[in-house]
Amino acid sequence: EVQLVESGGGLVQPGGSLRLSCAGSGFTFSTFWMHWVRQGPGKGLEWVADIRQDGSASFYAASVKGRFIISRDNAKNSLYLQMNSLRAEDTAVYYCARDDYGSGSSGFWGQGTLVTVSS
Amino acid sequence: QSALTQPASVSGSPGQSITISCTGTSSDVGGYNYVSWYQQHPGKAPKLMIYDVSNRPSGVSNRFSGSKSGNTASLTISGLQSEDDADYYCCSYTSSPTPSYVFGTGTKVTVL
Repeated sequence: EVQLVESGGGLVQPGGSLRLSCAGSGFTFSTFWMHWVRQGPGKGLEWVADIRQDGSASFYAASVKGRFIISRDNAKNSLYLQMNSLRAEDTAVYYCARDDYGSGSSGFWGQGTLVTVSS
Repeated sequence: QSALTQPASVSGSPGQSITISCTGTSSDVGGYNYVSWYQQHPGKAPKLMIYDVSNRPSGVSNRFSGSKSGNTASLTISGLQSEDDADYYCCSYTSSPTPSYVFGTGTKVTVL
């Protein structure tokens, strides 16, 4: 069974840092592009970043570029999101998602992890 | 990158058909056949309903169909059922200003 399990969310002060993790199982992790998508409280979905199968390329939304870093460790079947210089507007549920068709279409999502940026 | 434009809400009675629009630009929806649609129930992760404009993943009901004309993509739900009551989001690849993806503003579908 395909599973994606996020962890690492929590309460952090503005300007602080947090590292999210996403553990994949039930599939060959190294063969898929992976994405991070977030959803603010009561808001819509926002694409955050994605990373190529071998980690050699990554892309970011303008709202997080220069502050967030996406990475992966295929040996550990894990995806990461290092979040720095956090702002109140980064408060959201963060989902990791598997790109099933190579076109940004994600058929499998994690349950999400909540990040709250507040003093 | 601005969000793609969707109607805030659409409603219909059981058995009816409804269509949700998703309007972008030539740099996203109009320029690529990489439009997907997601259904999201409250408190749940999104579920992929359509990928690459008009393709249905295995297990998704054939009551869901997608299309595109110019800079506007559409999701049609036929034979509306109570379980279709949910939020729906479109998503497109975009080349501007950098290769990335952009979601739509979201549409609340209400089954009357």
